[in-house]
Amino acid sequence: QQQVKQSPQSLIVQKGGISIINCAYENTAFDYFPWYQQFPGKGPALLIAIRPDVSEKKEGRFTISFNKSAKQFSLHIMDSQPGDSATYFCAASKAGTYKYIFGTGTRLKVLA
Amino acid sequence: DAGITQSPRHKVTETGTPVTLRCHQTENHRYMYWYRQDPGHGLRLIHYSYGVKDTDKGEVSDGYSVSRSKTEDFLLTLESATSSQTSVYFCAISERELETQYFGPGTRLLVL
Repeated sequence: QQQVKQSPQSLIVQKGGISIINCAYENTAFDYFPWYQQFPGKGPALLIAIRPDVSEKKEGRFTISFNKSAKQFSLHIMDSQPGDSATYFCAASKAGTYKYIFGTGTRLKVLA
Repeated sequence: DAGITQSPRHKVTETGTPVTLRCHQTENHRYMYWYRQDPGHGLRLIHYSYGVKDTDKGEVSDGYSVSRSKTEDFLLTLESATSSQTSVYFCAISERELETQYFGPGTRLLVL
């Protein structure tokens, strides 16, 4: 049962543009929302994460926007670069479960 | 890859044979996880461990078993491999719940 829906499945952006990836969740008990970045042939690596007590978190060119009432969160990549070309996964977790539920992934390609 | 190794990195096997994948960590983290990654499905949790000899099922555990006899090692066994278990398998570790999961480099398994 998919509890975290991610869109789009793939995304092509020009260098310098803004990449936006969206996720929606169903379980209001989720209280930790990480984003992972995965390059081909590698394991996923944490990019940025947010907890529901804040509406936005920014780290460099990467920003998470969180809308608790809509049960949605999104990743914004500002000034996208070819080196950002990767697959991005959102995830959600709740206290006491030790587990993440991952979205299905977005393959981002940034054109030079 | 945060002190995580997976072995083997690639394996080709035949339907009906048993297969064991190994995850080894040098971080002394309490939690360990096995995921499978398939196109269109993202990362799905197979089994996880919250301590030595303490394991539990994830969302796609049928056909898989695990064992953890030492903090540093988490084994995933396919008792009788099927073609539907062809996938990329990732091990992950974390020190605490609701914190970063660090992923290994993955094992690519092909079941003929």
